[in-house]
Amino acid sequence: ETGVTQTPRHLVMGMTNKKSLKCEQHLGHNAMYWYKQSAKKPLELMFVYSLEERVENNSVPSRFSPECPNSSHLFLHLHTLQPEDSALYLCASSQDFLREQFFGPGTRLTVL
Amino acid sequence: AQSVTQLDSHVSVSEGTPVLLRCNYSSSYSPSLFWYVQHPNKGLQLLLKYTSAATLVKGINGFEAEFKKSETSFHLTKPSAHMSDAAEYFCVLDGSSNTGKLIFGQGTTLQVKP
Repeated sequence: ETGVTQTPRHLVMGMTNKKSLKCEQHLGHNAMYWYKQSAKKPLELMFVYSLEERVENNSVPSRFSPECPNSSHLFLHLHTLQPEDSALYLCASSQDFLREQFFGPGTRLTVL
Repeated sequence: AQSVTQLDSHVSVSEGTPVLLRCNYSSSYSPSLFWYVQHPNKGLQLLLKYTSAATLVKGINGFEAEFKKSETSFHLTKPSAHMSDAAEYFCVLDGSSNTGKLIFGQGTTLQVKP
């Protein structure tokens, strides 16, 4: 595997379910990001991790809970989501904050 | 305040004709600017970046962009469109290099007609 991978690619869940999105980067980067991409809206930065510490929480509801166990892996734990949370969730990584970000293919989430 | 404005939400060109996707920015810092492309159901791929070196930046797949400080613009061009160029294009500003917070434009959908 190369680059940034995300699993699953598609996820359908009910509002009472608990699920997790996984991101893995194979680039040796030290910063990782979660973005939300909704239709007709700019990408929204959700969380930033640098050296496994969260450095940004962009006013994201607590039903989204990130976890970064090491510099290569990033999770987004989901619980009691709302239909308006349906979106494409993108993971990205970079070397420090001074370089371009590399994106994964995204997880298409549908909340019923 | 930092902001990015993509002036066209949708651009349609014929295959083989030039492409122009327009982007204006506002930044109180010396900016880094990027263009990303997103094909359907795919993640974002970096096309090119400007980081205060040469003002004319060449990227992948024949794309290039020119940084014009006097016009606060960073328009993306390609001399000859290919069918595979049909995608969503994002102009992105990194106005503060110590936070990793990128500011994305709304995106421009490029349609390429045969």
